[in-house]
Amino acid sequence: NAGVTQTPKFQVLKTGQSMTLQCAQDMNHEYMSWYRQDPGMGLRLIHYSVGAGITDQGEVPNGYNVSRSTTEDFPLRLLSAAPSQTSVYFCASRGGGSTEAFFGQGTRLTVV
Amino acid sequence: GDSVTQMEGPVTLSEEAFLTINCTYTATGYPSLFWYVQYPGEGLQLLLKATKADDKGSNKGFEATYRKETTSFHLEKGSVQVSDSAVYFCALSEGSNFGNEKLTFGTGTRLTIIP
Repeated sequence: NAGVTQTPKFQVLKTGQSMTLQCAQDMNHEYMSWYRQDPGMGLRLIHYSVGAGITDQGEVPNGYNVSRSTTEDFPLRLLSAAPSQTSVYFCASRGGGSTEAFFGQGTRLTVV
Repeated sequence: GDSVTQMEGPVTLSEEAFLTINCTYTATGYPSLFWYVQYPGEGLQLLLKATKADDKGSNKGFEATYRKETTSFHLEKGSVQVSDSAVYFCALSEGSNFGNEKLTFGTGTRLTIIP
């Protein structure tokens, strides 16, 4: 029972590089989200999806792109990394009819 | 907009002490309220929830009651253990939560229990 799986767990990027944070869930959940966690600020919503082919912006979407081609996967793309994107990123999923969100273990990203 | 204000940390207690972590919220509608816990090196896990006024959520000895009149959802435990050391987040989600993916989080409270 894997739940929500995020890869990689750690990543260091140089300013201007691009990368994709992977998120996969095996619970057939419709809803998936990306959050970033910064000290003293809790978690803030970046993007979310209510089903395959449907995505929308959250509170802090700038600098990030997402797509949802399958129910299972919800990758987060950084097109040109900036030091301000240094953070811990969490992916979450939720099934329809439930209020409980399941979180991955996080990706710690450092942009130098 | 929605907001969650959470007790500042860090909090350090001795084992078997009584714990309260305060949480108050601002919301335009009728939110669902949650406490999430984050153990070191892990993602967030749902600890307990309440979806309407006067509901009490409970799990693992922790309790929180949804108080609409004071817009609060304080977390309590009668006797804490070392294994309770973690970061605790209060959160809300507006309405029935169906189709609404935005969880609004507090800043988190780091709890350390010493033997």
